[in-house]
Amino acid sequence: AQKVTQAQTEISVVEKEDVTLDCVYETRDTTYYLFWYKQPPSGELVFLIRRNSFDEQNEISGRYSWNFQKSTSSFNFTITASQVVDSAVYFCALSEAGTGGGADGLTFGKGTHLIIQP
Amino acid sequence: DAGVTQSPTHLIKTRGQHVTLRCSPISGHKSVSWYQQVLGQGPQFIFQYYEKEERGRGNFPDRFSARQFPNYSSELNVNALLLGDSALYLCASSPRAAGETGANVLTFGAGSRLTVL
Repeated sequence: AQKVTQAQTEISVVEKEDVTLDCVYETRDTTYYLFWYKQPPSGELVFLIRRNSFDEQNEISGRYSWNFQKSTSSFNFTITASQVVDSAVYFCALSEAGTGGGADGLTFGKGTHLIIQP
Repeated sequence: DAGVTQSPTHLIKTRGQHVTLRCSPISGHKSVSWYQQVLGQGPQFIFQYYEKEERGRGNFPDRFSARQFPNYSSELNVNALLLGDSALYLCASSPRAAGETGANVLTFGAGSRLTVL
């Protein structure tokens, strides 16, 4: 069975601070995908990144960066110089490609509510 | 281009009633998935449909059913509503079927918020 754990329920920082959201996953598959989604108050899940299990390179996109470490089964997300517009709930998710890349859907963590104070 | 659209956005039902939620995928997307998000939790997978066929099912009771139409839109039906069915129901579309590369790249709609009293 697959599982995603986001231990941080809520994080509050002051604008311009850096913040890291943690994600730990469990899977028996050797081939899998990891995701981060952002959910603003409107409710729509906004896709941020997908990473497959064979690509451990860290990725940077503007103020966002992701650190994937298979040795610790972690896929952490860092926002540099946070802004008020970053306030949202962030979800980490896992898809086991061994079953066919999507037939069982995505397994989401419980989310981290990020509050950026001005 | 329109994204994934869902209707209704909000609705209130009473226990025992039936509800139908609707979803229109992004133009050109043939796969639709449904997720349930209870307050304070992450979304949980219910169904995936591709070309009108069920391609995946999560751990939900038979009270939950869905179908996909020739135009790739989809309906989620829930019978005999329980208080615990109160949630945000999210629809997502993908250009690929389960088993194909990219099948798990999903675009989500804003959801239908169901309250069961």
